[in-house]
Amino acid sequence: GAVVSQHPSWVICKSGTSVKIECRSLDFQATTMFWYRQFPKQSLMLMATSNEGSKATYEQGVEKDKFLINHASLTLSTLTVTSAHPEDSSFYICSARGGLAGSWTQYFGPGTRLLVL
Amino acid sequence: AQKVTQAQTEISVVEKEDVTLDCVYETRDTTYYLFWYKQPPSGELVFLIRRNSFDEQNEISGRYSWNFQKSTSSFNFTITASQVVDSAVYFCALSGPGQGSARQLTFGSGTQLTVLP
Repeated sequence: GAVVSQHPSWVICKSGTSVKIECRSLDFQATTMFWYRQFPKQSLMLMATSNEGSKATYEQGVEKDKFLINHASLTLSTLTVTSAHPEDSSFYICSARGGLAGSWTQYFGPGTRLLVL
Repeated sequence: AQKVTQAQTEISVVEKEDVTLDCVYETRDTTYYLFWYKQPPSGELVFLIRRNSFDEQNEISGRYSWNFQKSTSSFNFTITASQVVDSAVYFCALSGPGQGSARQLTFGSGTQLTVLP
């Protein structure tokens, strides 16, 4: 149980294009999903927290117009990197947490490696 | 503010040796949750354990064991008889008890464990 998938796992795109990454909880309902960014040999940096049906809460320094997050259902959240540039190249990881009382554990997706040329 | 410190950046051991990964945390909450995650080279974070602050019992799962000491704010992780497949980055993380942002994970910087054959 508690499986989270991400698609795509790899994406290479040209500068200026937009990229959408999907995060799905496969066997549980995720009332809260998180999006992280990780640079090589560094820890995870939280970008935003999204609750189903409401707007995402972005961390300080994260541009909400550049990183669009939609959490339209209890099993799906999407991150769109708009007008991507080479500095957006990174490893993007989502996680999901269930809605049960006391559900404190975040389960992570396999990540998406984005390379912007 | 919450903080997690993993002072060991990299550790190398020879297969079958025991190894302990240190984790020290700071929090003002009286109730909190501690986690360990494993990130193998593939990138996906694998949940290993969650520990509640009110439960100081140590836990053993196969070759893995965890030593939680509130008096020293530490939550150390020991791998017994290490194997090459244990090579990964290990993250310690902390979350608070409340709703919303208080339940976000604060990650340590990670420890790269390399197990040599």
